[in-house]
Amino acid sequence: NAGVTQTPKFRILKIGQSMTLQCAQDMNHNYMYWYRQDPGMGLKLIYYSVGAGITDKGEVPNGYNVSRSTTEDFPLRLELAAPSQTSVYFCASSYTNTEAFFGQGTRLTVV
Amino acid sequence: GQQLNQSPQSMFIQEGEDVSMNCTSSSIFNTWLWYKQDPGEGPVLLIALYKAGELTSNGRLTAQFGITRKDSFLNISASIPSDVGIYFCAGQIETGANSKLTFGKGITLSVRP
Repeated sequence: NAGVTQTPKFRILKIGQSMTLQCAQDMNHNYMYWYRQDPGMGLKLIYYSVGAGITDKGEVPNGYNVSRSTTEDFPLRLELAAPSQTSVYFCASSYTNTEAFFGQGTRLTVV
Repeated sequence: GQQLNQSPQSMFIQEGEDVSMNCTSSSIFNTWLWYKQDPGEGPVLLIALYKAGELTSNGRLTAQFGITRKDSFLNISASIPSDVGIYFCAGQIETGANSKLTFGKGITLSVRP
């Protein structure tokens, strides 16, 4: 039982490049989330999904897109990377929409 | 949006000491959660609280859901070096499919051997 798996763990992007952060969970959770964590700022919700085929914006969605074609996967897409998107990104999933289980994070640097 | 206040930003204690952390808000919350994040890892859920006044323990950790529903505290007793990390509180104002967790900014705990 792997829980929430995020890939890659680290990535350096040039300004304007695009990439997809992958997230997969094997707990059959309906709820999935993407957060970003900046130093001293806690966790900010980017996008979330209450089930396959349904996504919604969180607190800081600008510059990102998501899709949820299956229960297991919830990729996060950056289309035109900007330095402000340098952050640590966490994917999480939940059975009850309360107790979220987090992945190990993806550390992204945009230069 | 809703804010959860955690302070101070950092705490330094001696191994063996107890430590208490607070989380406060101007809004009423229906759920309070406490997470711990080790360096380079994702947050891990420590304790979840669902009722005002509820007091729940997990080993050396005890957390309480404040009676006013605007605060929660986490107590760690007899601290050990592996207690080092960032402790986040999180809460939900509503329940239901579209309710979202709000996180505090976290408290970094250091434990001196």
